[in-house]
Amino acid sequence: RKEVEQDPGPFNVPEGATVAFNCTYSNSASQSFFWYRQDCRKEPKLLMSVYSSGNEDGRFTAQLNRASQYISLLIRDSKLSDSATYLCVVRQNHDKLIFGTGTRLQVFP
Amino acid sequence: DAGITQSPRYKITETGRQVTLMCHQTWSHSYMFWYRQDLGHGLRLIYYSAAADITDKGEVPDGYVVSRSKTENFPLTLESATRSQTSVYFCASSPTGSGNTEAFFGQGTRLTVV
Repeated sequence: RKEVEQDPGPFNVPEGATVAFNCTYSNSASQSFFWYRQDCRKEPKLLMSVYSSGNEDGRFTAQLNRASQYISLLIRDSKLSDSATYLCVVRQNHDKLIFGTGTRLQVFP
Repeated sequence: DAGITQSPRYKITETGRQVTLMCHQTWSHSYMFWYRQDLGHGLRLIYYSAAADITDKGEVPDGYVVSRSKTENFPLTLESATRSQTSVYFCASSPTGSGNTEAFFGQGTRLTVV
C-alpha cells in the first residue's frame, strides 16, 4: 500500500464546475501537508499548504482531518487553466516529502 | 540565474553504463531530494539529503548512488543503468525539513536507457 493515496482520475469537468480531490496518508507521524500542481511534462509547483484549521486561497480550499488521515482540495468555478495533475504531498519525520500518484483534472469548455 | 537547475535535460544511455545526473541550487537550501516519475507511480523518492555529507535512502534507492560534498550540489549516479531506470528524474530543494516550507523543483531530466 502506498503511503499517500489519491484517486488517479481523470476528472473531466465543465468550466464553472466545482470539483473535489481526496487524499489519504498512512503515516500518522506526518507533520506537514501540501497540494502541488503539475502541468504536462513540467516540474511540480506548490499550489498551497494545508493547515489543520483548513485554508482557502481564492477558488481553492484545502482541508485536513488528522484523525482520519485525510486531506482534500476543493476547486470552485473551474477554469480551463486549472487542467493539470494535482499532487498530494506529506512531509514525514521533519524531512522527507512523500508524493501521491496525482489526480488528473481536465476542464472542458 | 538563481534557482535550481538540472543537467542534462535529456540523456540516452546504454544498458550497463554509468550515468550521472546533476543538480545545482543557488539558494543554499539545506534539503535536497531526488525523485523519479513514472506513469502509474507518480513521484517516488530515491534519495534525500538534509545537509552536506548527510544523505538518506528514500522509497526506491536500489541502483542509485548520491553524494553531497557541497550544499549546492546533489548529483545522482546510476552505477550500471538498466532499462527499468528509464524515467523522468526531478531534483528538488527545500530551506528546512520542518513546517510548511515549500520544495522547489528543477525542470527534470528525461533519461532513456536502451
